[in-house]
Amino acid sequence: ETGVTQTPRHLVMGMTNKKSLKCEQHLGHNAMYWYKQSAKKPLELMFVYNFKEQTENNSVPSRFSPECPNSSHLFLHLHTLQPEDSALYLCASSQLGQGANGYTFGSGTRLTVV
Amino acid sequence: SQKIEQNSEALNIQEGKTATLTCNYTNYSPAYLQWYRQDPGRGPVFLLLIRENEKEKRKERLKVTFDTTLKQSLFHITASQPADSATYLCALDPSSGDKLTFGTGTRLAVRP
Repeated sequence: ETGVTQTPRHLVMGMTNKKSLKCEQHLGHNAMYWYKQSAKKPLELMFVYNFKEQTENNSVPSRFSPECPNSSHLFLHLHTLQPEDSALYLCASSQLGQGANGYTFGSGTRLTVV
Repeated sequence: SQKIEQNSEALNIQEGKTATLTCNYTNYSPAYLQWYRQDPGRGPVFLLLIRENEKEKRKERLKVTFDTTLKQSLFHITASQPADSATYLCALDPSSGDKLTFGTGTRLAVRP
């Protein structure tokens, strides 16, 4: 257990479904992130929340909608996804403002869109 | 455009030898460079961070070098063990700490 918990671990959804991914961190960090990891491609930064405020949205399609209700929780709401959205979705957290620090990642949610 | 390159071919070495992985970058001026380990089906795990004004960093059997002139970092694992088999990711941080960009990673296989 890394201190960052993601649920569910696996998710299969149809293109018309609506689902949500959940991430929770117990490390007291002030920044949280969503990354997408597809086969043979580098991790892609999707969203950044810094002190609960969204500071980055890397041209992510609107079918992905993040939510950060507090500094410990992060959600990724999914609707009308495409098969090419199938990937490993990783949540991470870090402590900003005290020098450089590594990120702590969760184990990810393996998403399959059918 | 910014690019981070890691050898996409797997590195196969004999147990006990030193593994050396390379990370090259272009069109980038990172303030920090980080290395992570990732096992199949798991999230990356942070290993080491090195600053732009540091040449070398060590942690147990791990050593990282950072050459901002060559735009290259080398990651060494000495006395490698089969348990070191994993994918190793290089990541660059421009300075703010909240825009970490990753390479594709290099898979390391250590034979007993």
